[in-house]
Amino acid sequence: SQQGEEDPQALSIQEGENATMNCSYKTSINNLQWYRQNSGRGLVHLILIRSNEREKHSGRLRVTLDTSKKSSSLLITASRAADTASYFCATDENTDKLIFGTGTRLQVFP
Amino acid sequence: DAGVTQSPTHLIKTRGQQVTLRCSPKSGHDTVSWYQQALGQGPQFIFQYYEEEERQRGNFPDRFSGHQFPNYSSELNVNALLLGDSALYLCASSPVGQGVGTGELFFGEGSRLTVL
Repeated sequence: SQQGEEDPQALSIQEGENATMNCSYKTSINNLQWYRQNSGRGLVHLILIRSNEREKHSGRLRVTLDTSKKSSSLLITASRAADTASYFCATDENTDKLIFGTGTRLQVFP
Repeated sequence: DAGVTQSPTHLIKTRGQQVTLRCSPKSGHDTVSWYQQALGQGPQFIFQYYEEEERQRGNFPDRFSGHQFPNYSSELNVNALLLGDSALYLCASSPVGQGVGTGELFFGEGSRLTVL
């Protein structure tokens, strides 16, 4: 079973626009991570936010975490065509394993 | 420094056959996790190996088994293949002493299995 669900399932935007995707999860967590996957390739880690953090930045990425609502959001600012990929959130469920959500497919048009 | 490597990259099997997929973790990593990713879905956790033992397991039948060798490399075996086993199988490693959920997982490019 999958822990999280990303919303929307798919998102299409123009270059320069911001992209926001959301993740909801079911159980308590220690950490939440976001990963990126280009079509048919391996996943690449983007950012980790701990349960006692509310917001974190990395370059053009901004992640927020609301543990009371069991939700997180990933914002990509000034998107580029190269940002086209699937984005997954992943949580640890307070265990020593990482469980992934269903993903958001982002398409950025030049 | 080589990252996580997986082999083979693609393979085709028929129903009922058995398959073995291989993974070499990133240098300095001792924990290996395996995931199954069906087309259009998120990765599903199969199991995790540490110190040559299966430490965590997801909701997969016993047809899925694995092994970790003293050099930390790992194999995933699937017996009695079903059509539904067609997927991208991903291996991920994490460093010595780092809990899997507490830090970055490093993924290989995957092995794409097609069952006919």
